[in-house]
Amino acid sequence: QLQLQESGPGLVKPSETLSLTCTVSGGSISSSSYYWGWIRQPPGKGLEWIGSIYYSGSTYYNPSLKSRVTISVDTSKNQFSLKLSSVTAADTAVYYCARHAVVINAFDYWGQGTLVTVSS
Amino acid sequence: QSVLTQPPSASGTPGQRVTISCSGSSSNIGSNTVNWYQQLPGTAPKLLIYSNNQRPSGVPDRFSGSKSGTSASLAISGLQSEDEADYYCAAWDDSLAWVFGGGTKLTVL
Repeated sequence: QLQLQESGPGLVKPSETLSLTCTVSGGSISSSSYYWGWIRQPPGKGLEWIGSIYYSGSTYYNPSLKSRVTISVDTSKNQFSLKLSSVTAADTAVYYCARHAVVINAFDYWGQGTLVTVSS
Repeated sequence: QSVLTQPPSASGTPGQRVTISCSGSSSNIGSNTVNWYQQLPGTAPKLLIYSNNQRPSGVPDRFSGSKSGTSASLAISGLQSEDEADYYCAAWDDSLAWVFGGGTKLTVL
């Protein structure tokens, strides 16, 4: 059974860089059938797509966050990572990693999510 | 302000049929398929419907989806208490981004 697990600091200071990693188990991140994405949810609010990456390293980002986002992949560790720079309190959210299955064009597996709070 | 528009809340009694709407535009729902996600309290979203009206394995056939023009709907028949959750629609937008609705909180009375 595929599992995704987010990891990283739960507290980040304003103006610093948020860094998270998603570890994929029970399947290969190098499959040509999937993209891997990051989605966030501020407390009490809706979902916002941050960006996605293919195992080859090809990326696409939410235009509203593009200037601050970098997503990378490490196929040897079966992981992909998120960096969000110059964070503010508005970036406080639960961050989810998820698998995007190309054939159905949907995020079909999600991690449990990790809360990141931006505060000094 | 979400790109896709959903009613903030919906409700029904056990056994009833409820529908949740999702309104978009020609650049998202009008030209791409719609997915629906269910988020139970304190948990990650779960894929409920993909490609407008397809159910992943394990999703009861009480859940159904439809799309017409720039709008989509999720219908839940035979409402059960365990259906109480937040529901989100999503679609690819031709501006090269996934967009979501603001979510609808379903209450089973």
